[in-house]
Amino acid sequence: QVQLVESGGGVVQPGRSLRLSCAASGFPFSSYTVHWVRQAPGKGLEWVAVISYDGSTKYYADSVKGRFTISRDNSKNTLYLQTNSLRAEDTAVYYCARAALPLDYGTNSEFDYWGQGTLVTVSS
Amino acid sequence: QLVLTQSPSASASLGASVKLTCTLSSGHSSYAIAWHQQHPEKGPRYLMKLNSDGSHSKGDGIPDRFSGSSSGAERYLTISSLRSEDEADYYCQTWDTAIHVVFGGGTKLTVL
Repeated sequence: QVQLVESGGGVVQPGRSLRLSCAASGFPFSSYTVHWVRQAPGKGLEWVAVISYDGSTKYYADSVKGRFTISRDNSKNTLYLQTNSLRAEDTAVYYCARAALPLDYGTNSEFDYWGQGTLVTVSS
Repeated sequence: QLVLTQSPSASASLGASVKLTCTLSSGHSSYAIAWHQQHPEKGPRYLMKLNSDGSHSKGDGIPDRFSGSSSGAERYLTISSLRSEDEADYYCQTWDTAIHVVFGGGTKLTVL
């Protein structure tokens, strides 16, 4: 079955960096666009970034543009999010999610599978 | 501007039905959406994709108690024969090539 398992979260000081990972299994990872979505404590879902199935196309939310970098290693079935210059407002649970439409370059479909999330806390 | 609007809360009795609403902003009434369910401290779960004509396709293992419908800019999620495990937050989601991905603010469903 499809599984997405995030890791790499933790407590980090403002201005520091953290790399999140999302290990995928149960489907041909290299054929699917994948996203990062975050949820601040007690708040709703906020889209963060997307990367196309082949890694050639990436988009970011304005709130993280220039600070976060999405990438993937299809040989390892793993998605990454490098988070730099972290701020208190980046504190959230970070989820990876699979786009339903295979072989897509953009944001042209819904999410059909989610991970369980990894918590990032930015605090001094 | 592409915006999804949801009521913050809803409630219904055990065994009854409830209809949750997600409203697309002006000019976007043709957009499809997706519904997701989220229990406390858990990752979201995909329920269904809902098109503007009311046709919908559900995710793996989603029971028949969950259905979707559309009217103009409104997208509905109906849950029938409510169970205690249906108590959760429900989010709608839409997407396009310019804005990328948008979520509604979510509706917290209480089963009485």
